[in-house]
Amino acid sequence: DIVMTQSPDSLAVSLGERATINCKSSHSLLYSTNNKNYLAWYQQKPGQPPKLLIYWASTRESGVPDRFSGSGSATDFSLTISSLQAEDVAVYYCQQYFITPRTFGPGTKVDVK
Amino acid sequence: QVQLQQWGAGLLKPSETLSLTCAVYGGSFSGYYWTWIRQPPGKGLEWIGEINHSESADYNPSLKSRVTISVDTSKNQFSLKLSSVTAADTAVYYCGRGEMGSRQLVLAYWGQGTLVTVSS
Repeated sequence: DIVMTQSPDSLAVSLGERATINCKSSHSLLYSTNNKNYLAWYQQKPGQPPKLLIYWASTRESGVPDRFSGSGSATDFSLTISSLQAEDVAVYYCQQYFITPRTFGPGTKVDVK
Repeated sequence: QVQLQQWGAGLLKPSETLSLTCAVYGGSFSGYYWTWIRQPPGKGLEWIGEINHSESADYNPSLKSRVTISVDTSKNQFSLKLSSVTAADTAVYYCGRGEMGSRQLVLAYWGQGTLVTVSS
């Protein structure tokens, strides 16, 4: 199985400030045939299912605010919230969909300082 | 608009079989990866398995001996069965649609979640 790790486990950021979450994969997620990274980011608020934010490591899902951005390639990825809003308080998960089982990172909790 | 609505028994005894169904409303049923994910209380997400448009299923090796995912295309539904449950299977179970095309394999649509508790 591909093991996904995230750092930090949690972070608290002031409103309007930047938040960055890191995700590392035990195997490259870059598929050479199409030059795409099979990495997605999801946001989960309490009592709700996860919501897709980013796929192909850096493509924002329709309707997702542009303060959310994804970057990285192969085994190292990041999710950045450029200006934290109160509604961004949530747990964020990365997921690889390169191979099955399609594993998730353990999650990073983002809160307001 | 695509909606996934799921249901099933919420309280099971050890050794019983968990059975959940997810109905898909809006959009096509064929051509997607119909997926089950679970989340133990206060913990992270675990991919259980998926079944694709060819009705070929793929399961998490950690659960493979106990899990079956199936589809009923006549009803636009897919189902999860997990046998011989224990307390470790207590979790919120989500169904999801894995996309095709430009968003291939990502889970853009999710069910509302069903809490399944295993207790004697």
